[in-house]
Amino acid sequence: QVQLQESGPGLVKPSETLSLNCTVSGASIGGYYWNWIRQPAGKGLEWVGLIYTSGSPNYNPSLKSRVTMSVDTSKKLLSLKLSSVTAADSAVYFCARGSGSYPYGMDAWGPGATVTVSS
Amino acid sequence: QAVLTQPASLSASPGASASLTCTLRSGLNVGTYRIYWYQQKPGSPPQYLLRYKSDSDKQKPSGVPSRFSGSTDASANAGILLISGLQSEDEADYFCMIWHSSAWVFGGGTKLTVL
Repeated sequence: QVQLQESGPGLVKPSETLSLNCTVSGASIGGYYWNWIRQPAGKGLEWVGLIYTSGSPNYNPSLKSRVTMSVDTSKKLLSLKLSSVTAADSAVYFCARGSGSYPYGMDAWGPGATVTVSS
Repeated sequence: QAVLTQPASLSASPGASASLTCTLRSGLNVGTYRIYWYQQKPGSPPQYLLRYKSDSDKQKPSGVPSRFSGSTDASANAGILLISGLQSEDEADYFCMIWHSSAWVFGGGTKLTVL
């Protein structure tokens, strides 16, 4: 059974870069679509982007200019970087696996990592 | 206009049924999308409930109770999550999601209260 665990700094200063990792265990990392989703406190879900283990990432158009996602298959590690953050980027960030058949919706989620943008 | 619209809240009694709707924006056809449904309880990540496009194209993970089912209402251009025999543990936020224009799009979520 796949397990996902997000990790990274809980506090980021405005204008700096948010960096998060997601460790995958209990299943292979290859052959799946790996997503990042965020959720501001008390609000809904916003898709950040996805990456396949072999292929170009696909980002939310509203965040595309600031997002970079990568995957290290040898370490079973996903990474998310979001540059030039503001308070609006404060949220719980989830990594989630996309699987099954097209369009490969998310069937497993990590517990989430809370990130606060503040000076 | 949002791509997916969900009522902000819904209340129902224990033992009753609840229909949670996810209405697609005008111009989009519900019959062409696989709609995913998630349940989220406070402090926890969303949990995948099921996927529904049609009776011949649906999927539900093992472990999800049979009380949860999906459908669509073509006349309302909406996906529906039906929860029958409501239990107190069903009180949660429910989100729908579709793949649209090469991006995942979520509905705003419905807070279901069981009282």
